[in-house]
Amino acid sequence: GAGVSQSPSNKVTEKGKDVELRCDPISGHTALYWYRQSLGQGLEFLIYFQGNSAPDKSGLPSDRFSAERTGGSVSTLTIQRTQQEDSAVYLCASSPVPGPNTEAFFGQGTRLTVV
Amino acid sequence: AQSVAQPEDQVNVAEGNPLTVKCTYSVSGNPYLFWYVQYPNRGLQFLLKYITGDNLVKGSYGFEAEFNKSQTSFHLKKPSALVSDSALYFCAALRRGSQGNLIFGKGTKLSVKP
Repeated sequence: GAGVSQSPSNKVTEKGKDVELRCDPISGHTALYWYRQSLGQGLEFLIYFQGNSAPDKSGLPSDRFSAERTGGSVSTLTIQRTQQEDSAVYLCASSPVPGPNTEAFFGQGTRLTVV
Repeated sequence: AQSVAQPEDQVNVAEGNPLTVKCTYSVSGNPYLFWYVQYPNRGLQFLLKYITGDNLVKGSYGFEAEFNKSQTSFHLKKPSALVSDSALYFCAALRRGSQGNLIFGKGTKLSVKP
């Protein structure tokens, strides 16, 4: 597709259940990022993938959160045993090369509601 | 801790008036600086960036931003606001040497009234 695609667009889940969020980056983009947007909290960095390098997981809030990127393309963010505080919009972005000379392109996000 | 601050949760301006959305940063070194805009029910869109050189950066939709190293600020400006500029604006910084961890501010809601 022409842009970053995220699915589902909305997800309602019960507390304690696991969820998987998917991101399809722009074809050819080597860098992929996950951010979390909570009301009044801005954008919180979660994890960053670049090519075949080990991902930067420094933003993951707990060990319930994990992410993988298969074949250098599609990425899945998994949240295990969801809690109400996990409710947020999860944004994925990609860029052609890492660093300042290209901007990141964002998907429309997945709105996660934990009830 | 590295951080980006947007001191105003909301900015209200009348259409045709100039607008300023403020951003200050506390990031080591000389970070790269960005502005993104988020329209309702849409993803973030890149507006402009400062890498080096001229302190006044021009971007999309008539927006510009002024980098001030001594004040560690990167305020977003537009000479004449449009109602369609109403959106959520995010300032972000990328530490030089980092490979992608953009540090975002909390966002400022801009409301332009006719």
